[in-house]
Amino acid sequence: DQQVKQNSPSLSVQEGRISILNCDYTNSMFDYFLWYKKYPAEGPTFLISISSIKDKNEDGRFTVFLNKSAKHLSLHIVPSQPGDSAVYFCAASARTQGGSEKLVFGKGTKLTVNP
Amino acid sequence: EPEVTQTPSHQVTQMGQEVILRCVPISNHLYFYWYRQILGQKVEFLVSFYNNEISEKSEIFDDQFSVERPDGSNFTLKIRSTKLEDSAMYFCASSEGYRGETDTQYFGPGTRLTVL
Repeated sequence: DQQVKQNSPSLSVQEGRISILNCDYTNSMFDYFLWYKKYPAEGPTFLISISSIKDKNEDGRFTVFLNKSAKHLSLHIVPSQPGDSAVYFCAASARTQGGSEKLVFGKGTKLTVNP
Repeated sequence: EPEVTQTPSHQVTQMGQEVILRCVPISNHLYFYWYRQILGQKVEFLVSFYNNEISEKSEIFDDQFSVERPDGSNFTLKIRSTKLEDSAMYFCASSEGYRGETDTQYFGPGTRLTVL
């Protein structure tokens, strides 16, 4: 069951350049998408999110783009910094009857930003 | 900044033993969740909890698992008789609940459960 896919297990970029992390989904019921950052032995840290009614959300160096017709989202980090090196998870949710939302995660992309 | 806390950070147990994993969600949050991540695999949803009852649970969350909010602050996950395949990182998360169109879950640091 791969409703959320991150096809690149790793990405390496130079400090100061743009990092682009990609995510695809298959479930058209998903209406909220999130990116989490995770360091080893820590929990996922919320980074940025986007609702399905938008196509772009920006927060400082981080921008998430959503293409609903392609069922694709991407996270752009500009400029990339060595401290951004971590595993990035894409997650998606659909509001349930119970009112809560279970998150469906991708496998993650390990980003390495080289000084 | 408020955060979700979890104890213990690492739990080692023998197969067949009961374990209780503890979480303190963010204080004004209304929804609580447990997820797990087996080494090398995805983070998987286990259960969501709202208004003192389970809202949704996954296939993984069978009769061996239970959740409880014993007081106003703690949220616990109990595994009655642990199996080797229960070895994983267990993450607690909480969220405010829908205030509009969206809701964001904030995760704790996790408990590493090792079943021998």
